[in-house]
Amino acid sequence: GAGVSQSPRYKVAKRGQDVALRCDPISGHVSLFWYQQALGQGPEFLTYFQNEAQLDKSGLPSDRFFAERPEGSVSTLKIQRTQQEDSAVYLCATGRDSETQYFGPGTRLLVL
Amino acid sequence: AQRVTQPEKLLSVFKGAPVELKCNYSYSGSPELFWYVQYSRQRLQLLLRHISRESIKGFTADLNKGETSFHLKKPFAQEEDSAMYYCALSGSSSGTYKYIFGTGTRLKVLA
Repeated sequence: GAGVSQSPRYKVAKRGQDVALRCDPISGHVSLFWYQQALGQGPEFLTYFQNEAQLDKSGLPSDRFFAERPEGSVSTLKIQRTQQEDSAVYLCATGRDSETQYFGPGTRLLVL
Repeated sequence: AQRVTQPEKLLSVFKGAPVELKCNYSYSGSPELFWYVQYSRQRLQLLLRHISRESIKGFTADLNKGETSFHLKKPFAQEEDSAMYYCALSGSSSGTYKYIFGTGTRLKVLA
């Protein structure tokens, strides 16, 4: 079956714009993670969902970042009033439990 | 502080030579350790995890709690092993879902 998909694959935003990044998990996967990966760095944890419940949002860098997964399937990461330091690859990973992660291809965000 | 350290940004070895990718961690609970790999133009994928104690593509990794290390080893490197490797830890056994990744080591296997 299809793997984790993310859209858009590339996004260019002007500083101050709001963006929304989408993650479509593998069917049946209850766990969903969001990560931010800056150039030359490893993925940095942002938030974790188990079904529709956001169990850990300790990695969200500011209140401009918001994630939701209202029906326990598709998730959206929203960044308000984007800043240049938000430029990164945003990765989504899903799994049957919190111990397994299948990664999506990522969304590359560039804030000008 | 909770941290995963991969001291080498780049490791170059010749085909057939042994490989060791270093990973040290700092964590106050009982972490679970993983190695992830990203081949060129592919997505990040799990290579192995310490609790399963398995060998994948000839790679092994042993958790050394005394040295807080989880080095990745392979006795004979192949060209197709060239990739980016990330060490990661999870605190799920301690009740947190946060994963911490290292900065990665790029392995180049030369012909």
